[in-house]
Amino acid sequence: GIQVEQSPPDLILQEGANSTLRCNFSDSVNNLQWFHQNPWGQLINLFYIPSGTKQNGRLSATTVATERYSLLYISSSQTTDSGVYFCAVEPRRYGNNRLAFGKGNQVVVIP
Amino acid sequence: DVKVTQSSRYLVKRTGEKVFLECVQDMDHENMFWYRQDPGLGLRLIYFSYDVKMKEKGDIPEGYSVSREKKERFSLILESASTNQTSMYLCASSIGQGRRPYEQYFGPGTRLTVT
Repeated sequence: GIQVEQSPPDLILQEGANSTLRCNFSDSVNNLQWFHQNPWGQLINLFYIPSGTKQNGRLSATTVATERYSLLYISSSQTTDSGVYFCAVEPRRYGNNRLAFGKGNQVVVIP
Repeated sequence: DVKVTQSSRYLVKRTGEKVFLECVQDMDHENMFWYRQDPGLGLRLIYFSYDVKMKEKGDIPEGYSVSREKKERFSLILESASTNQTSMYLCASSIGQGRRPYEQYFGPGTRLTVT
């Protein structure tokens, strides 16, 4: 099946710092989403971004589908940004929004 | 706002018990999904359903079954719980094929412990 690799696996940031999380995938996709899992386990939608660039406040994401990667940018990080960030893709052969998840980026923002 | 709810936040069951996990969504979504999440393994798909009474196996269906009798409700069943089914279980829903945006929305999760 499709491989979804996220890097770095773990990241410690000083509050106010910027960072980039990367998601590489091994096959063509219909759909890509980024999620944030908060400390209570809830997954929150950040971006639905099969291609192009989107921004939402201090977060932005870029997907280059032809090169099979996506980037999530966190600017001016805050302690509330701590948690696990997941990239998930819908392989082109699947349909029905069946997603394959990466193992996540564990982010800790320290004050 | 999309709302996906799960019947329990925490659950403790004994080995061999039959366990039901319930998920309800209020957005008239066609697709519903059950995942389990384990440390270091990310989220893995157990089963999904794209319509009432329809179901498809995901990547790890062994030891689980599902039921979808109504569009808004998707149940995960552990016929005979085992300790290796101790995990976080997450339910999600999304709109159907050919419609946009094609985002999955997640419930708060059920942390199941089997002793």
